[in-house]
Amino acid sequence: DAGITQSPRHKVTETGTPVTLRCHQTENHRYMYWYRQDPGHGLRLIHYSYGVKDTDKGEVSDGYSVSRSKTEDFLLTLESATSSQTSVYFCAISEKGAGYEQYFGPGTRLTVT
Amino acid sequence: GQQVMQIPQYQHVQEGEDFTTYCNSSTTLSNIQWYKQRPGGHPVFLIQLVKSGEVKKQKRLTFQFGEAKKNSSLHITATQTTDVGTYFCAGVPNAGGTSYGKLTFGQGTILTVHP
Repeated sequence: DAGITQSPRHKVTETGTPVTLRCHQTENHRYMYWYRQDPGHGLRLIHYSYGVKDTDKGEVSDGYSVSRSKTEDFLLTLESATSSQTSVYFCAISEKGAGYEQYFGPGTRLTVT
Repeated sequence: GQQVMQIPQYQHVQEGEDFTTYCNSSTTLSNIQWYKQRPGGHPVFLIQLVKSGEVKKQKRLTFQFGEAKKNSSLHITATQTTDVGTYFCAGVPNAGGTSYGKLTFGQGTILTVHP
């Protein structure tokens, strides 16, 4: 498996609190992605990064922000968590972009009560 | 925006039976990828198809990319219990520009195999 870690792996939080999920890679890949996975929806792209400080929105970006200050770290922040953001969050990396294979991290299970 | 539809959503088979999942895009794709996710695990890349009409095989798995580059299929011959999991297709729209954009995933097909 590619060197990707996500932290925390599990989190329970209350509605209205801020939450930050971290993705860390040791592969020095340029592209990093955040997806959420919900039953019946597959994997939906939240945000992605194509370099340090270079990010763009995916299809379900409302309520989420990201930052990438170093090649190896990509942070996903829920400014004010809502119950609809209860999901499993996966980080992925790619050496050359969306047209090439992506390697996924182990995922973070987030529950917003 | 681009949509990628995958059917069926669920498939239950007896071990030894064949299995097929189909993927259809609302727009032409520059390429299509397939991933497998074991229960409780993360998606793992299986293969990428790029050419119109392309067919690739990996042991008992056969992947096809349609002539119009809008559909694809994954066929597993003689399923085994190790094939259990969710199979996703994912496409990149053929819209020109940079390729670092958005990979759109289908909803996935959940395969269960009864021994």
